[in-house]
Amino acid sequence: AQKVTQAQTEISVVEKEDVTLDCVYETRDTTYYLFWYKQPPSGELVFLIRRNSFDEQNEISGRYSWNFQKSTSSFNFTITASQVVDSAVYFCALSFNDMRFGAGTRLTVKP
Amino acid sequence: NAGVTQTPKFQVLKTGQSMTLQCAQDMNHEYMSWYRQDPGMGLRLIHYSVGAGITDQGEVPNGYNVSRSTTEDFPLRLLSAAPSQTSVYFCASSQGQGSTEAFFGQGTRLTVV
Repeated sequence: AQKVTQAQTEISVVEKEDVTLDCVYETRDTTYYLFWYKQPPSGELVFLIRRNSFDEQNEISGRYSWNFQKSTSSFNFTITASQVVDSAVYFCALSFNDMRFGAGTRLTVKP
Repeated sequence: NAGVTQTPKFQVLKTGQSMTLQCAQDMNHEYMSWYRQDPGMGLRLIHYSVGAGITDQGEVPNGYNVSRSTTEDFPLRLLSAAPSQTSVYFCASSQGQGSTEAFFGQGTRLTVV
């Protein structure tokens, strides 16, 4: 069975702080895909990143970075120098035949 | 390019009523799916389709029905609405079944009273 755990339900930081959102997954598949989505207060779901199970290279995109470690079944997401606009619910998802989501982490960035 | 379009955006139903949530995509994606989002539970997969004429159940299919007669449309039917079906529903489409990013509609907020 596939499962995604986002243990942090809510995180609150002050602007310019760095913050890491944790994601731990379980799967028996050797080929799978991991995703992060952002859901701002307006409610839509915004794709952030996709990573396949054979690519453990970390990725950086501006203030966002992702750390994929198969050894610990984790795919963590770090926001550097957080901004108020980063306030949202962030979902980690695991996919092979269908996409399964974690419960989400609500990030609040205060000015 | 509209992407994924869901209608309606809001709906209030009485217990026992039936209704159809509409979903259409214009990206020629083969894979489409329906999720419900409940507080503290993330998005849970209801049904999905890998192409016209093919549908399958997800994690929480009970009380819902789907069909896929065209590539573009994937409606979700609530057969007899129950208060437990109060939720936000998202339709999604993707090029691949699980390997590519999913594009989501704006969501339908459904309240069953």
